[in-house]
Amino acid sequence: NAGVTQTPKFQVLKTGQSMTLQCAQDMNHEYMSWYRQDPGMGLRLIHYSVGAGITDQGEVPNGYNVSRSTTEDFPLRLLSAAPSQTSVYFCASRQGEAGASPKQFFGPGTRLTVL
Amino acid sequence: RKEVEQDPGPFNVPEGATVAFNCTYSNSASQSFFWYRQDCRKEPKLLMSVYSSGNEDGRFTAQLNRASQYISLLIRDSKLSDSATYLCVVARNTGGFKTIFGAGTRLFVKA
Repeated sequence: NAGVTQTPKFQVLKTGQSMTLQCAQDMNHEYMSWYRQDPGMGLRLIHYSVGAGITDQGEVPNGYNVSRSTTEDFPLRLLSAAPSQTSVYFCASRQGEAGASPKQFFGPGTRLTVL
Repeated sequence: RKEVEQDPGPFNVPEGATVAFNCTYSNSASQSFFWYRQDCRKEPKLLMSVYSSGNEDGRFTAQLNRASQYISLLIRDSKLSDSATYLCVVARNTGGFKTIFGAGTRLFVKA
């Protein structure tokens, strides 16, 4: 099992550019999510999905879109990059609901800089 | 006020020391509690779940006090390899997908 994979590992964008961060998991997990991590802020939830075809907003969804066409893949799209989106992005997956499932598996992260 | 609050640290301790991390949470509907470890520039990884009865895993002991909405992590006999950031995590099923991460406490263990 590869677990949760993310690409790219590093990315530099110019303000206004768009791009997609890729996330895939091979554990057949229902739940997938995207977080961003900024210094002193902890991980903040951007969007999440409870299964193929079902997505919802998290705490900081503005400027991002997601889709979940398959169980395995959960891409995150930046529509028009802004310097405030400079961050480390983590994708995670787990099998069950938050209160029941003890473990989230995280990808290695994507370090994004927006100039 | 943040939903999950931790000592920001950093904690600087010598090898062999005992160190305690504290965490408080504000939502009484929280159901599950965890400590994650995050090494520098790496992804978070589950260290241990936290139960009301308290639980131990080798040198690590976690405690939960639901009445006070307080979680703790105790590391005994610190090793250099324990140097990392420790994240307090709280989860619930109400109000949608809710897994809330604290900002983390940085630990440096020195020889």
